[in-house]
Amino acid sequence: SAVISQKPSRDICQRGTSLTIQCQVDSQVTMMFWYRQQPGQSLTLIATANQGSEATYESGFVIDKFPISRPNLTFSTLTVSNMSPEDSSIYLCSVSDGTSGVRGAQYFGPGTRLLVL
Amino acid sequence: QKEVEQNSGPLSVPEGAIASLNCTYSDRVSQSFFWYRQYSGKSPELIMSIYSNGDKEDGRFTAQLNKASQYVSLLIRDSQPSDSATYLCAVNRGTGSARQLTFGSGTQLTVLP
Repeated sequence: SAVISQKPSRDICQRGTSLTIQCQVDSQVTMMFWYRQQPGQSLTLIATANQGSEATYESGFVIDKFPISRPNLTFSTLTVSNMSPEDSSIYLCSVSDGTSGVRGAQYFGPGTRLLVL
Repeated sequence: QKEVEQNSGPLSVPEGAIASLNCTYSDRVSQSFFWYRQYSGKSPELIMSIYSNGDKEDGRFTAQLNKASQYVSLLIRDSQPSDSATYLCAVNRGTGSARQLTFGSGTQLTVLP
């Protein structure tokens, strides 16, 4: 399966600021996703990052708060804008590729641990 | 009703015992089912996939699927302390993008030495 890296691995930010998280994959993949995992909770899908077009957001998530870019098949960014303490969470990118790996499965990056003060 | 439900934990089993983790899902159109293991402070790791009714075995792990009853389970035989983790059930969405997965809330498993 693909090797996925995320930067930064963790950060502490002040409320009202923004943080951009990068996700890099070592091979071209069809699908990339962004999740949030709040403390003690399961994974919540934020959006599907579409290459060359606007991301598809899940209910409760909006582009103004979580702008996403995907300029090519190996890279995506998620920005958490105008942060508040409620945005403290782990942010995970995942990939799914129809040509390799287990059919339909997603593989996760190591995550970005964000604390907003 | 949640789309994917897992039996509430935490679940504790003694070392060497069988751990049984259960999951039910609501979308009858779903075709792909996965179990992920997540150690504390780490990201989820795929451990099993299953697509057809019946059992699928991989080492000490057995996934079971019953589409008629809309449940999928994971059995861990000869449980080891290293199996202590949160186990997440994931189901592909039957409508819209079939590549998207819906995750259950997870079951925390502790294997006692």
